[in-house]
Amino acid sequence: DIQMTQSPSSVSASVGDRVTITCRASQGINNFLAWYQQKPGKAPKLLISSASDLQSGVPSRFSGSASGTDFTLTISSLQPDDFATYFCHQSNSFPPSFGQGTRLEVK
Amino acid sequence: QVELQQSGPGLVKPSQTLSLTCAISGDSVSSNGASWNWIRQSPSRGLEWLGRTYYRSQWYNDYAMSVKSRITIKSDTSKNQFSLHLNSVTPDDTAVYYCARSNNWFDPWGQGTLVTVSS
Repeated sequence: DIQMTQSPSSVSASVGDRVTITCRASQGINNFLAWYQQKPGKAPKLLISSASDLQSGVPSRFSGSASGTDFTLTISSLQPDDFATYFCHQSNSFPPSFGQGTRLEVK
Repeated sequence: QVELQQSGPGLVKPSQTLSLTCAISGDSVSSNGASWNWIRQSPSRGLEWLGRTYYRSQWYNDYAMSVKSRITIKSDTSKNQFSLHLNSVTPDDTAVYYCARSNNWFDPWGQGTLVTVSS
């Protein structure tokens, strides 16, 4: 099974900050990687697919990139609505697997 | 717009069967291209994919090895829904359970059901 190692597990930041979250796959996944945002008591919401494709309606301050088995989610200028938990997910190999999550908190 | 609506009990006794249903609107459970999944989330396990059902001229099911001996996912085309059945539950199965559609990515998700395994 492919392991997804996500870091950091939590980060504190302020409105307007630039934040980067990373996921490393234990083997190549051909950019079959998605990022989700989850708020307390809610289901995860798909933000980015195929490592860098922004979903319709997702603000352009969110972006994704890939370099080999390393994947990055960047929020260019944090907004109050962005404080949440973020997960990565690989769908290249069966079974699908998730990172452990990054909790983005207010500094 | 696809929406998934979950239903089922929030409390199950140890050794019994956990059963949840996911009703689909805006798509078909027999859609050729999508799969219909169950995922759970707990503080100890994080997000854990449990299994899926999908139709490609015939019905297929895939299950996670961690629950393979205890899980069944069924589809009901007459009601356009699918269901999760997890037997012989223990307190370790306590989690929020989600249904989700997948075309590579999980979108959308159901609203989630907190299932507590306790006597």
